[in-house]
Amino acid sequence: EAQVTQNPRYLITVTGKKLTVTCSQNMNHEYMSWYRQDPGLGLRQIYYSMNVEVTDKGDVPEGYKVSRKEKRNFPLILESPSPNQTSLYFCASSFNFGIRETQYFGPGTRLLVL
Amino acid sequence: KQEVTQIPAALSVPEGENLVLNCSFTDSAIYNLQWFRQDPGKGLTSLLLIQSSQREQTSGRLNASLDKSSGRSTLYIAASQPGDSATYLCAVMYNTDKLIFGTGTRLQVFP
Repeated sequence: EAQVTQNPRYLITVTGKKLTVTCSQNMNHEYMSWYRQDPGLGLRQIYYSMNVEVTDKGDVPEGYKVSRKEKRNFPLILESPSPNQTSLYFCASSFNFGIRETQYFGPGTRLLVL
Repeated sequence: KQEVTQIPAALSVPEGENLVLNCSFTDSAIYNLQWFRQDPGKGLTSLLLIQSSQREQTSGRLNASLDKSSGRSTLYIAASQPGDSATYLCAVMYNTDKLIFGTGTRLQVFP
């Protein structure tokens, strides 16, 4: 089944404890991205990747890191999480970033930073 | 600044009604516009994608229209059902490698 998977789905952590949220897609997509969703603010893009080893900042990259060493995986790293990073995170992918391309979303990771 | 706005923020209708959700965007130089559905605890599911050269797309009871000149799109849902209850998100793709989302319309269809 074609899908985007994220792990973990739920995470409670404390300020400053490094964490990684994994994202994997099995559709051979080139484009992958991370979003966070907050009440009243909608989805905002954190980072995106056009292909392996190519990443770029979105609208809210501060406090996050990403890497794209393999086509299928695009982990999101919080080196020193803070309470303002409590949010619902979504990973998405598409074959490329173009006029006909639909984005496929993972199920989301709900993060609480205490 | 590229912004996407959705009105209303919430909508509650009885089953069987036809309804319209609205999306407006500030920059008309778009690649495409997409409508998504978001259910609680789940990710986003793509409903319809309208390319910049198209005027509308249809899928079952859903019809989405696009008017680039006025910066507006509408999602029409015919004969609404309780299973249509969800949050509907509009997203605009620009050539800046960005997908800009609206804040969504939360729809409740009651029996």
